[in-house]
Amino acid sequence: EPEVTQTPSHQVTQMGQEVILRCVPISNHLYFYWYRQILGQKVEFLVSFYNNEISEKSEIFDDQFSVERPDGSNFTLKIRSTKLEDSAMYFCASRLAGGYQETQYFGPGTRLLVL
Amino acid sequence: DAKTTQPTSMDCAEGRAANLPCNHSTISGNEYVYWYRQIHSQGPQYIIHGLKNNETNEMASLIITEDRKSSTLILPHATLRDTAVYYCIVRVAGSGNTPLVFGKGTRLSVIA
Repeated sequence: EPEVTQTPSHQVTQMGQEVILRCVPISNHLYFYWYRQILGQKVEFLVSFYNNEISEKSEIFDDQFSVERPDGSNFTLKIRSTKLEDSAMYFCASRLAGGYQETQYFGPGTRLLVL
Repeated sequence: DAKTTQPTSMDCAEGRAANLPCNHSTISGNEYVYWYRQIHSQGPQYIIHGLKNNETNEMASLIITEDRKSSTLILPHATLRDTAVYYCIVRVAGSGNTPLVFGKGTRLSVIA
């Protein structure tokens, strides 16, 4: 069964460094998302992406964050200058289309630790 | 999207049915009920969703009351691997890129 994959599974970085988290959505999906979950807290929406542009973003998704679909398969989240509070699990999700096919499927996540 | 209310935690004996309730009393006619689960910080896993009819798949059954104000997710024969946090999420159909809004969910512990 097709699934969303994410790399790396774990990333440790120093505060102020740039990180890029990578996702390969399910191949025929059209809508892409990033969510994050700080340890012990709820899963929070960051951004959604469709047709090569951001559709919606939360207030968490500030100028330090950017997303890109550099080719036909990858979807990336870049954090330009990481802060301690960016430490979290980051989940990518994708979905096919609308109507009954609106179900979002999540990847296994990347655990980011900022020191 | 309508707000949902779920118990904080539940226990279930292994092999028995786990019945997880969700209250969504303000749901509107075009809102689906989705269930996801999260096993120990893994990515949320889609389980099932429905509009007004009961639904069943290989993982679970979803029973929605006639007035649609509540629903129950049923895992027919719970195993230890079903221990997870279960999220009930209501979402407007055709709401485009509107994200899923996760609450705190129900922590289900399956006990041997």
